Amino acid sequence: GAGVSQSPSNKVTEKGKDVELRCDPISGHTALYWYRQSLGQGLEFLIYFQGNSAPDKSGLPSDRFSAERTGGSVSTLTIQRTQQEDSAVYLCASSLASSGGFNEQFFGPGTRLTVL
Amino acid sequence: AQSVTQLDSQVPVFEEAPVELRCNYSSSVSVYLFWYVQYPNQGLQLLLKYLSGSTLVKGINGFEAEFNKSQTSFHLRKPSVHISDTAEYFCAVTDRDDKIIFGKGTRLHILP
Repeated sequence: GAGVSQSPSNKVTEKGKDVELRCDPISGHTALYWYRQSLGQGLEFLIYFQGNSAPDKSGLPSDRFSAERTGGSVSTLTIQRTQQEDSAVYLCASSLASSGGFNEQFFGPGTRLTVL
Repeated sequence: AQSVTQLDSQVPVFEEAPVELRCNYSSSVSVYLFWYVQYPNQGLQLLLKYLSGSTLVKGINGFEAEFNKSQTSFHLRKPSVHISDTAEYFCAVTDRDDKIIFGKGTRLHILP
């Protein structure tokens, strides 16, 4: 079956511009996560959506970052007024609903963002 | 708050030699522990996980890890590596709230 997909795969933008990154989770997965992977920094948690609950935004690095999840499926991560330090690979993952146990997160291929 | 420390950013090892990638975690509650692998130009995939039960966990591709609660460690091992094991390996922890915290990763370089 189809896995997690992300678009675009690569995005080059100029400093100060806004960008939108898209994630299509696996059908039926109610949990969706965004991470940022920077060279030497590993994987940094950004935001987590679970069903209709309020998202956990505790990892967003600044108020320039925001994310939405429409209809419990597709999610868009928006970065406003991009800075060079925003350059990274942005990863999306999805999993089945959690009931206190563990559900494996499946990762998309990522969007490589380069801010010039 | 949880955290994960991967002590080695890069590990070079000769082909067919054994390898251990170190991971230590901190958490005030019971945890689930994971190792993820990212092959060159590919996405992350789950290598193995510890949820409960036996502290020795076996994963794909001949890897295994041992949960040591007293040392708060979850080191990854393989008795004989292959060139195809070249990848970046991430240790991760969650305290069951589904937010997984990752370490900074260890790049495994296999030398011919």
